[in-house]
Amino acid sequence: GQQVMQIPQYQHVQEGEDFTTYCNSSTTLSNIQWYKQRPGGHPVFLIQLVKSGEVKKQKRLTFQFGEAKKNSSLHITATQTTDVGTYFCAGPEETSGSRLTFGEGTQLTVNP
Amino acid sequence: NAGVTQTPKFQVLKTGQSMTLQCAQDMNHNSMYWYRQDPGMGLRLIYYSASEGTTDKGEVPNGYNVSRLNKREFSLRLESAAPSQTSVYFCASSDLGRHTEAFFGQGTRLTVV
Repeated sequence: GQQVMQIPQYQHVQEGEDFTTYCNSSTTLSNIQWYKQRPGGHPVFLIQLVKSGEVKKQKRLTFQFGEAKKNSSLHITATQTTDVGTYFCAGPEETSGSRLTFGEGTQLTVNP
Repeated sequence: NAGVTQTPKFQVLKTGQSMTLQCAQDMNHNSMYWYRQDPGMGLRLIYYSASEGTTDKGEVPNGYNVSRLNKREFSLRLESAAPSQTSVYFCASSDLGRHTEAFFGQGTRLTVV
């Protein structure tokens, strides 16, 4: 079955440093979605990328979708303490479309 | 607009007891999901329902059953709880088509002793 892998599992940064998490799927995805989960909370949708090679920005966050639609990345510039949480990627398979599989997540901590 | 509502929020069970986790969404979504989240394991799919009347196994279905009662409701049942099922359970829903973002419930923190 489909597998979605994320690295790194944990990342500790000083406030102001940049952060990147990478996502790789074993199968081609119809789209890639990114979610953020604050400690003790539930995952909240951030963004969806659909097109091969697509790049989207949300303030300090930059999201990329790979050309083969099997990998993606999230980059945060100049992290802030409000960025603390776990970031997940997720994607439905291009063929089946309905099963939404999540990566293991990257847990980000930011030291002030 | 409540979104996705899960009940209960917390539950403690003894080994061997049964219980049903309830989930309802008011967004008219076709697809619904049950995930479990353990420390360092991310979100693992237990069961999902692509549309009313259909259910399919996810990555970790053993020990669970589901019912898609109608378009709004998707319940998860533990017939004989085991300590290995101690986890946080999330229900989610999404729609088919171009915008398939998932909306999550607040979660159920289940402890099996």
